[in-house]
Amino acid sequence: GAGVSQSPSNKVTEKGKDVELRCDPISGHTALYWYRQRLGQGLEFLIYFQGNSAPDKSGLPSDRFSAERTGESVSTLTIQRTQQEDSAVYLCASSFLAGELRETQYFGPGTRLLVL
Amino acid sequence: AQSVSQHNHHVILSEAASLELGCNYSYGGTVNLFWYVQYPGQHLQLLLKYFSGDPLVKGIKGFEAEFIKSKFSFNLRKPSVQWSDTAEYFCAVSDYFSGGYNKLIFGAGTRLAVHP
Repeated sequence: GAGVSQSPSNKVTEKGKDVELRCDPISGHTALYWYRQRLGQGLEFLIYFQGNSAPDKSGLPSDRFSAERTGESVSTLTIQRTQQEDSAVYLCASSFLAGELRETQYFGPGTRLLVL
Repeated sequence: AQSVSQHNHHVILSEAASLELGCNYSYGGTVNLFWYVQYPGQHLQLLLKYFSGDPLVKGIKGFEAEFIKSKFSFNLRKPSVQWSDTAEYFCAVSDYFSGGYNKLIFGAGTRLAVHP
């Protein structure tokens, strides 16, 4: 079946603008994760969804970041008043079971965000 | 908090050379360990994982990794690399203290370049 998809693949925006990043997980996957990868660094966890709820938002770097998930499918990560330090690749991953430590996460291609 | 160290940021090898990429994590106890690979222009994909049992884990494409609990290590190995192994390799860990779900903590990654 289809893998995790993300859109847009690339986004260039001006400092201070809001952006929305979209993730379509694999159909039937209950768990959804957002990660961020800054240049030259590893992936850092942002937020985890179990179904439609987000039991862990601890990785969101500031209150400018928010995310939602509707219908146990699509998730949107919104960054308000973007700053240059928000420039990164934003990756989404999904897994079949939520709350299961052994589940493999399947990653999307990422959205490359550049804030000028 | 859990952290992951990958000591080699860039590795350059000739084809047929042997590969070992280091990975160390900071927190003991029960952990789940993963190696992900990202080939140029492709998504992150799972190479292999360890949960329990035999500490020597076999993955795809001839890769293997050995979990050494006393050293908090999970090094990736391949006896003979090919040009097609050129990629970025990420070590990741999840544990029961990361929130009880599969929140992955990633290392910074190792870029491997294999020359023909």
